[in-house]
Amino acid sequence: NAGVTQTPKFQVLKTGQSMTLQCAQDMNHNSMYWYRQDPGMGLRLIYYSASEGTTDKGEVPNGYNVSRLNKREFSLRLESAAPSQTSVYFCASSEGQGDYGYTFGSGTRLTVV
Amino acid sequence: GDSVTQMEGPVTLSEEAFLTINCTYTATGYPSLFWYVQYPGEGLQLLLKATKADDKGSNKGFEATYRKETTSFHLEKGSVQVSDSAVYFCALSSSGGSYIPTFGRGTSLIVHP
Repeated sequence: NAGVTQTPKFQVLKTGQSMTLQCAQDMNHNSMYWYRQDPGMGLRLIYYSASEGTTDKGEVPNGYNVSRLNKREFSLRLESAAPSQTSVYFCASSEGQGDYGYTFGSGTRLTVV
Repeated sequence: GDSVTQMEGPVTLSEEAFLTINCTYTATGYPSLFWYVQYPGEGLQLLLKATKADDKGSNKGFEATYRKETTSFHLEKGSVQVSDSAVYFCALSSSGGSYIPTFGRGTSLIVHP
């Protein structure tokens, strides 16, 4: 089983460029999430989608947009990248909200220069 | 709001030593509690969970008991291996947080041969 697949794995952007991080899950999960992980900061939630057709802001949504394209796919877009967005980005999914655990992708390492 | 506090690392042990990583939490209601593990260069993986007081979660030799009276969920393993070297995250999910998991900042474990 593929689980949660993220593309690309690595990316270098120049300040002001835009890009979309892709995420797809094959577990028929209802909920999907985008986190960023920075040294000493742990995991911070950017956006989430509790179910197909809905999206909500997390702790650090500024500078990002998301699209829940269908039940499988949840993309994260940086419209105008900034050096402060240099981070490792993780997509995750779960059956729903509650005591379900998350399944994480392997991450996208993004550097903005 | 919900919060999770983990002991700071790194925790450095010799192979076959006993491991404890402390985790305490603050939450409204009756949260579900989780431990995740992150190996270098990978995403987080669900290690174990407990959904009600006095429950014990266990997996791969790791255990943690949901202690409501002390609001704790400490991770233990009787005999660690070099392959257990990773970062461990404690997390909770509660109705007060709309069931979006709150993560601790992670504890790095280094096991020497």
